[in-house]
Amino acid sequence: EAGVVQSPRYKIIEKKQPVAFWCNPISGHNTLYWYLQNLGQGPELLIRYENEEAVDDSQLPKDRFSAERLKGVDSTLKIQPAELGDSAVYLCASSSGTAETQYFGPGTRLLVL
Amino acid sequence: KQEVTQIPAALSVPEGENLVLNCSFTDSAIYNLQWFRQDPGKGLTSLLLIQSSQREQTSGRLNASLDKSSGRSTLYIAASQPGDSATYLCAVRPYGSGNTGKLIFGQGTTLQVKP
Repeated sequence: EAGVVQSPRYKIIEKKQPVAFWCNPISGHNTLYWYLQNLGQGPELLIRYENEEAVDDSQLPKDRFSAERLKGVDSTLKIQPAELGDSAVYLCASSSGTAETQYFGPGTRLLVL
Repeated sequence: KQEVTQIPAALSVPEGENLVLNCSFTDSAIYNLQWFRQDPGKGLTSLLLIQSSQREQTSGRLNASLDKSSGRSTLYIAASQPGDSATYLCAVRPYGSGNTGKLIFGQGTTLQVKP
């Protein structure tokens, strides 16, 4: 069974440019999470989806970040415009329910110059 | 506000040693605690999950304990191997987040096992 797929794996952009990350969860997993992981730190939740509904986006900086999961399967996280401080690893995870184990993808490593 | 702390930040041991990684959390109102492993450039892999009503969980050479009242968990690795080299993260699911699945992570302990 395929795990959580994320692309791209690496992205280098100049500040003020837009960037988008894509995540395909494990088949059948209704719950999808986006996390931000800064160097030397643990992941921090940005947004959680139940099917296509964003049910916890309290940590998402809505002035520049947006996310969507239109058909309740794969999801896109966007930053526009990117700032230097956005350089980090963006992790996607999925689970079969909110109380179940979360399975993580390999992440997208973003570098903003 | 729940805070999770892991000490030490880094640890280097010779192969074969038994070792303990520590995790502490400030609020004992948790559903469960989970230990993850993260290899460089990779995502997180779940190792052990301890429900709040449990005291410990074991998987192979790994044993995790939970003392909810004192806000502490330990991950014991027996007979360490170079392949155990990775960053180990603990995370708690705060009570009240049961409907959100939110995990609060520590900053991790980076382990190096030398051959």
